[in-house]
Amino acid sequence: DTEVTQTPKHLVMGMTNKKSLKCEQHMGHRAMYWYKQKAKKPPELMFVYSYEKLSINESVPSRFSPECPNSSLLNLHLHALQPEDSALYLCASRPIGGSNEKLFFGSGTQLSVL
Amino acid sequence: SQQGEEDPQALSIQEGENATMNCSYKTSINNLQWYRQNSGRGLVHLILIRSNEREKHSGRLRVTLDTSKKSSSLLITASRAADTASYFCATGERASGTYKYIFGTGTRLKVLA
Repeated sequence: DTEVTQTPKHLVMGMTNKKSLKCEQHMGHRAMYWYKQKAKKPPELMFVYSYEKLSINESVPSRFSPECPNSSLLNLHLHALQPEDSALYLCASRPIGGSNEKLFFGSGTQLSVL
Repeated sequence: SQQGEEDPQALSIQEGENATMNCSYKTSINNLQWYRQNSGRGLVHLILIRSNEREKHSGRLRVTLDTSKKSSSLLITASRAADTASYFCATGERASGTYKYIFGTGTRLKVLA
């Protein structure tokens, strides 16, 4: 299994809603990433988890709350989002150690905040 | 995060021609990678070049790296309509005991059949 699976593929939410994005991989990768991408822009790094611990938070607003409950699963909890948070949210993973440092990406969740 | 700059922002060529994209970055890096993205979905890794390498090949792809100029280029030879996509460079930087990957601004390539 060489896939990173993200659900849902599309999500529409109001500014008062609470929702979660899910990312799953079964490649044994112990580093996992959340990126945010606006249309025609590059992915922007949000969070990095290493061995299920949060290693990097790129000054992301607290309305985004990441969680890594186990080595295969990464969640992004969303609460009180703003319309400008509408974007494609991408999850990625990579193995730790060795010389192979490429990222494996999921196909993303397209989020619309109304 | 400081993104790298890529040029051109957009490139339109005929099938069979070569496409060259350039990436400049600002920080010290461990490696530089190139990714491809179709229609705003997930990114696919193309090739990785380490900071101590100057050139690397993979199929129709050729990547160069000049660490003194903090720049890299991606050459796609004999392009095909299926190569139409956005291409991003990404620099791998050691941070907080792990690696963070910062993406350049991207080049939108259109290959006309």
